[in-house]
Amino acid sequence: DAGITQSPRHKVTETGTPVTLRCHQTENHRYMYWYRQDPGHGLRLIHYSYGVKDTDKGEVSDGYSVSRSKTEDFLLTLESATSSQTSVYFCAISDRGSNYGYTFGSGTRLTVV
Amino acid sequence: SQQGEEDPQALSIQEGENATMNCSYKTSINNLQWYRQNSGRGLVHLILIRSNEREKHSGRLRVTLDTSKKSSSLLITASRAADTASYFCATDDPTGQNFVFGPGTRLSVLP
Repeated sequence: DAGITQSPRHKVTETGTPVTLRCHQTENHRYMYWYRQDPGHGLRLIHYSYGVKDTDKGEVSDGYSVSRSKTEDFLLTLESATSSQTSVYFCAISDRGSNYGYTFGSGTRLTVV
Repeated sequence: SQQGEEDPQALSIQEGENATMNCSYKTSINNLQWYRQNSGRGLVHLILIRSNEREKHSGRLRVTLDTSKKSSSLLITASRAADTASYFCATDDPTGQNFVFGPGTRLSVLP
C-alpha cells in the first residue's frame, strides 16, 4: 500500500523467542497503530502512537511493546512469543486520529510454533 | 468495549445485484467508517460518516447512519465480482483517539 510498508511479510518463530515487526511510513502522519486480526474477532488494537516517543496501550497489549523513535517508524515487539500470538498483524497510519480514515499496510503473517 | 457488529456474517449474491450490510453499535459515536479487505491484503478505507450526517455516497457505495437506532448500513449497487471481499465497520472509541472494528461481513459476488 502506498506510503506504508510492513516487514517482514511472513515470519515463523519459535515459542519464547523475541520478535520485532516493523512499520515504515513515508506520509509523515502523526498517528500510527498496530492491530492484530484473528478469525471472528475483527481487528483488535494492540498499541498506538500519537507522536515520536508517545505511545499508549490498546485493547490487547499484554505481551507486546512498541517503540517510535522516528516519525516514520513504529516497531512492535513480542517480548517472548507464544502460540496465542500467531496472527496477522496490521499497521495503520492516520493524520488526524479518529476523525479521518486510516491507511493500512499489507500485513505481517506471524506463526509461533 | 464499544464495538460495531456487522450483519450478516456472510453474504452471497449474483453479479449485478445489490448488496446490503448492516452495522450496529452500542454507545454514542462521533464517526463511523466502512472498510473493505480483499483476501490477503490490508484494509482499504471506503467511507467515513459523521454522527450529524444521515447518508453519504461514493460511486456505487451508499452509507446510511441512524443514530437513534445505533446502526449503519452499507449498500453496494450493481455488484461486480471484484467487490468480493470482507467489509468492516469501525466506530470511534470513547477516547476519540481510535477506532474499534467489528468482525466483518464476507461478501461473495458470483459471476
